[in-house]
Amino acid sequence: GAVVSQHPSWVICKSGTSVKIECRSLDFQATTMFWYRQFPKQSLMLMATSNEGSKATYEQGVEKDKFLINHASLTLSTLTVTSAHPEDSSFYICSARDAGGARFSNQPQHFGDGTRLSIL
Amino acid sequence: AQTVTQSQPEMSVQEAETVTLSCTYDTSESDYYLFWYKQPPSRQMILVIRQEAYKQQNATENRFSVNFQKAAKSFSLKISDSQLGDAAMYFCAYRIMNFGNEKLTFGTGTRLTIIP
Repeated sequence: GAVVSQHPSWVICKSGTSVKIECRSLDFQATTMFWYRQFPKQSLMLMATSNEGSKATYEQGVEKDKFLINHASLTLSTLTVTSAHPEDSSFYICSARDAGGARFSNQPQHFGDGTRLSIL
Repeated sequence: AQTVTQSQPEMSVQEAETVTLSCTYDTSESDYYLFWYKQPPSRQMILVIRQEAYKQQNATENRFSVNFQKAAKSFSLKISDSQLGDAAMYFCAYRIMNFGNEKLTFGTGTRLTIIP
């Protein structure tokens, strides 16, 4: 149980385009999902917390208008990198935890497989 | 602010042997969670083991166990009978035990190599 699917796994696009990444909880409802960014050989940095039916909470230093998050259902959150540039190239990972539909939970986070984004 | 430190960027161990990965953290909270995650070359983050700070007993999951020293703020991971499939980046992570604040803070990771 607690499977998180992320799509696409790899995307290459031209500078200036927008890229959408999907994060789905396959066998549980996720009222909250998390988006991380990982640079090569570095740790994961939380970008934002995605809340179903409400606005995402962004970490300090993360541009809200650059990284748009939509959590329209209990099983899907999307991250859109708008007007992507080479400096946005990175590995993006989402996570979710099975809270049984509750808003908050102390259950551990389960991660998707990640998306490697390359901007040319 | 909470910080997590992994002082060993790389470790290696002979197959079937035992290895210990170090992790220290800094927090003023008394209730929190600690985790070890594994990230193989496939890049997926896999939960290895979890420890609640209020529990004195060290967590164990098959070949994986932790040595949790709350006073010293230390949380090391011991891998027994190392297998080739254990090769990966290992991240130590901290989370405050507080509804409404589920932020995970990760260490910088330790790359574990298994020598056949």
